[in-house]
Amino acid sequence: ILNVEQSPQSLHVQEGDSTNFTCSFPSSNFYALHWYRWETAKSPEALFVMTLNGDEKKKGRISATLNTKEGYSYLYIKGSQPEDSATYLCASLDNYGQNFVFGPGTRLSVLP
Amino acid sequence: EPEVTQTPSHQVTQMGQEVILRCVPISNHLYFYWYRQILGQKVEFLVSFYNNEISEKSEIFDDQFSVERPDGSNFTLKIRSTKLEDSAMYFCASRPADRHEQFFGPGTRLTVL
Repeated sequence: ILNVEQSPQSLHVQEGDSTNFTCSFPSSNFYALHWYRWETAKSPEALFVMTLNGDEKKKGRISATLNTKEGYSYLYIKGSQPEDSATYLCASLDNYGQNFVFGPGTRLSVLP
Repeated sequence: EPEVTQTPSHQVTQMGQEVILRCVPISNHLYFYWYRQILGQKVEFLVSFYNNEISEKSEIFDDQFSVERPDGSNFTLKIRSTKLEDSAMYFCASRPADRHEQFFGPGTRLTVL
């Protein structure tokens, strides 16, 4: 059974600040890591799917890196905006099954 | 842009009653999932479904739960005899064959009294 952790649990930043948070996952039998952005009362929205060690992906001001050997991924937000306020979830998929194991999420609040 | 839809948005039921939660996945997707999130806890995987059968299920998905794709468009989750601890947000997701990215519906909030 996978155990996926995220830190910090919550984060408050000022508008314009850059920030990052971490997802850690078991490195054995790793297949893929997903990042989702989840705003209150909306569906989780897929940000990135990462599979290869050393992967870096970028979408606008948000980027992510992946280290499969040590079992962590970082999500970076450059120049945070109030609309970035959401819970950021990571989910790890191992090569034994098709189910995801989600981390508990990092709740980001960007203050204007 | 196509979306996964779920109905109802909120369901209130008495303990012991049966509920059916409905999902309409994106039309060309072939893999379907149910997740739940109990208030204040992690999102938990329940079941995945492909080619008209369950492909994976978690420990949570016991005999009280069942899934069905009755008509090629709907994907339902049935809870036979609800318990208080079944109160949660239930999310449906789907994905196409060639991508692992899952697309989530807005969720159904189930409240068991």
